[in-house]
Amino acid sequence: RKEVEQDPGPFNVPEGATVAFNCTYSNSASQSFFWYRQDCRKEPKLLMSVYSSGNEDGRFTAQLNRASQYISLLIRDSKLSDSATYLCVVNIVTGGNKLVFGAGTILRVKS
Amino acid sequence: DGGITQSPKYLFRKEGQNVTLSCEQNLNHDAMYWYRQDPGQGLRLIYYSQIVNDFQKGDIAEGYSVSREKKESFPLTVTSAQKNPTAFYLCASSIRGASGGRSSYNEQFFGPGTRLTVL
Repeated sequence: RKEVEQDPGPFNVPEGATVAFNCTYSNSASQSFFWYRQDCRKEPKLLMSVYSSGNEDGRFTAQLNRASQYISLLIRDSKLSDSATYLCVVNIVTGGNKLVFGAGTILRVKS
Repeated sequence: DGGITQSPKYLFRKEGQNVTLSCEQNLNHDAMYWYRQDPGQGLRLIYYSQIVNDFQKGDIAEGYSVSREKKESFPLTVTSAQKNPTAFYLCASSIRGASGGRSSYNEQFFGPGTRLTVL
């Protein structure tokens, strides 16, 4: 089992749609969770950190489910500019402590 | 403006040559990291440094070397021993790494990356 797993997609949605991504992680001791956005041939940029109580930033909502070891990202009212790859990032505390990046989920928003 | 810079943006190398990728940050961050990204894959950690004059191997350190003589700089050398060096190389920094008993991570900030192609 991979340490961080994501559905690679692509998710093709129309403008205005609501879309949700899930990510599962293998290490129950993980404490840090992030969603990054990566545009084509660019560097990843932090979208939001994920807190235990869940958190919202405008059209974006992140949730953490420790019991099931998954985090989610919900995007409401999708815009064309939301088209990108979304990376799930978790710290894995096994034989050390490191951030592990998922392979990413591709989102394509179409008009 | 504070940030992380990487140079060059594109780099071409002949097989058998060593090449050094630059990474500089003026964010006053303690920790710095090097990753490589291959198409369709997640970022994989090459080396990281939590403090000046100290660094540790990541998951795929073979064929790479680093130094951390200054807080602002963390250059990566891709040696001829690296069997498949063509990739997108990303440098990152964070306020602190997970050390000294801290088990959680601060978010990492990335440079624009260097695309290395071996001819």
